[in-house]
Amino acid sequence: GQQVMQIPQYQHVQEGEDFTTYCNSSTTLSNIQWYKQRPGGHPVFLIQLVKSGEVKKQKRLTFQFGEAKKNSSLHITATQTTDVGTYFCAGREYGGATNKLIFGTGTLLAVQP
Amino acid sequence: DSGVTQTPKHLITATGQRVTLRCSPRSGDLSVYWYQQSLDQGLQFLIQYYNGEERAKGNILERFSAQQFPDLHSELNLSSLELGDSALYFCASSAFPDRATSGRAEYNEQFFGPGTRLTVL
Repeated sequence: GQQVMQIPQYQHVQEGEDFTTYCNSSTTLSNIQWYKQRPGGHPVFLIQLVKSGEVKKQKRLTFQFGEAKKNSSLHITATQTTDVGTYFCAGREYGGATNKLIFGTGTLLAVQP
Repeated sequence: DSGVTQTPKHLITATGQRVTLRCSPRSGDLSVYWYQQSLDQGLQFLIQYYNGEERAKGNILERFSAQQFPDLHSELNLSSLELGDSALYFCASSAFPDRATSGRAEYNEQFFGPGTRLTVL
């Protein structure tokens, strides 16, 4: 079945440093969503990418969808302590008829002030 | 606050028991999803309902079942509980179940509830 892997599993940065997490799917994706889960919280939707090669920005966050629609990345510039949490990508298999999302393994970001 | 509510917040029970988790979707959302989150398995999709009908199934055990009622709330029933069933159970909702129904090129984002933490002793 479809698998979505993320690397790294965990990253610890100093406040102000940049951070990137990568998401790779075993199959072509129809679209990809990114969610953030704060410690003790629930996943919260950040963004959705649909087109091949699409790049979207939200303030210090840059999201990219690969040309082959099998990978994606999230880059945070100049991290802040409020960025702490686990970042999940979630892909929907190309040709899938449902809204079923397969979540990636997640990257836990720790930011030291 | 996502608008999705889940009860109870915490549940502690013993092996072999049966529990029911409840979820109320955001007002107007017709589709409900259940996920299991454990430390070693990440966020696993269990099942999806749309307007009372099962729409998609994921890694849901036979001991688990779910349903969506006419008022659109959903319940996840877990029976013959085992230690390994201890996890956070999230419910999420979206306006539409899929692209065909929404008529949009993009699928709807999912709004997650606060979760139910199940501990099986």
